Amino acid sequence: ETGVTQTPRHLVMGMTNKKSLKCEQHLGHNAMYWYKQSAKKPLELMFVYSLEERVENNSVPSRFSPECPNSSHLFLHLHTLQPEDSALYLCASSPSRSPTSNYGYTFGSGTRLTVV
Amino acid sequence: GENVEQHPSTLSVQEGDSAVIKCTYSDSASNYFPWYKQELGKRPQLIIDIRSNVGEKKDQRIAVTLNKTAKHFSLHITETQPEDSAVYFCAASRGAQKLVFGQGTRLTINP
Repeated sequence: ETGVTQTPRHLVMGMTNKKSLKCEQHLGHNAMYWYKQSAKKPLELMFVYSLEERVENNSVPSRFSPECPNSSHLFLHLHTLQPEDSALYLCASSPSRSPTSNYGYTFGSGTRLTVV
Repeated sequence: GENVEQHPSTLSVQEGDSAVIKCTYSDSASNYFPWYKQELGKRPQLIIDIRSNVGEKKDQRIAVTLNKTAKHFSLHITETQPEDSAVYFCAASRGAQKLVFGQGTRLTINP
């Protein structure tokens, strides 16, 4: 593990279900990200949180609802998804989003989501 | 905003040969350029990065070069091995801005 843990690793859900993806980091990072990875768009940014505040929402449908209760945890709440939402959902974190520094991201292993 | 283009989308080389993947970026103020490797079924992992104050960085068989004038940077892998087979992503950012990723290159090393 890299210090970013995602659960569950696999999830199959019906279109009427409600489920949540969880991401946890123990690296002391203060920025967290949700990415969707599919064959069409290899790394599609969904949401960015910095110090628990959502700073970016990339026109993501409202059936995806993020939550960041503290700097170590990030959730993605899912409801009434569509089959085209099937993908690998990756969480990532980074140390800082200060104006004078930038760093690479540490990714979790992802949740493979299948919507049936 | 920043736009990163990555080429080629697929690359196949013979084991032992070199592989080069190139990325171009649009924001001349970008100053951080990481490369990620994603093996099949695994997470993207940072393998090397370069900042705008240097032109080249090397780590064993991998190296990255940066041409700020032309706004492009490249990943070079020498003496390729089967375990180098993966999808490689480049990215660019400036200051506190988010990383913008390229579309990825699927590298296959043929034995």
